[in-house]
Amino acid sequence: DAGITQSPRHKVTETGTPVTLRCHQTENHRYMYWYRQDPGHGLRLIHYSYGVKDTDKGEVSDGYSVSRSKTEDFLLTLESATSSQTSVYFCAISEWQGNTYEQYFGPGTRLTVT
Amino acid sequence: AQTVTQSQPEMSVQEAETVTLSCTYDTSESDYYLFWYKQPPSRQMILVIRQEAYKQQNATENRFSVNFQKAAKSFSLKISDSQLGDAAMYFCAYRSYQTGANNLFFGTGTRLTVIP
Repeated sequence: DAGITQSPRHKVTETGTPVTLRCHQTENHRYMYWYRQDPGHGLRLIHYSYGVKDTDKGEVSDGYSVSRSKTEDFLLTLESATSSQTSVYFCAISEWQGNTYEQYFGPGTRLTVT
Repeated sequence: AQTVTQSQPEMSVQEAETVTLSCTYDTSESDYYLFWYKQPPSRQMILVIRQEAYKQQNATENRFSVNFQKAAKSFSLKISDSQLGDAAMYFCAYRSYQTGANNLFFGTGTRLTVIP
């Protein structure tokens, strides 16, 4: 499982409240990613990180921010949650496998915004 | 951005039979990687198989194999001797060969049901 944990695993929150999801990895991977999964859309990239304090936007970054102050932790923050952010959120890392990087995913966080 | 299309929202297969899941993609790049991920009811995303575009030989992993047709931009997954544990959502994904983000572009998935 590439040593990836996500917390919390489930969360219900109200519209307008801030929410922070945490991704923790134990194997010193440089690249980390946040995706969201929605029916009919597959997984879509929100933000990614290529090192401590180095982050960039993905395909669906509006309404989200991220931070990476330590190699092992990548935080995803919803500053003011909206119902459209109800989704399953996956963290992933890239790991070198022979001749290329492969991505491995955490267990996911189900977020419901009411 | 690259697009990945899975035109079969649902498929079913009899246990021990063979099933093929389809995937097409659109890209202007000549070098890239393609992947199939499995997502069982546990929600965990599991890497099933990988194909490098520069390789002509189709990848195989035990009962799983791909049919990679670069000119047609097609990347299908064949599951042989289907087992009950193969029941899951299957996602096709694309990644650029270029260094950088290494992020994946996913299709919308195919739900596979295995009938005992």
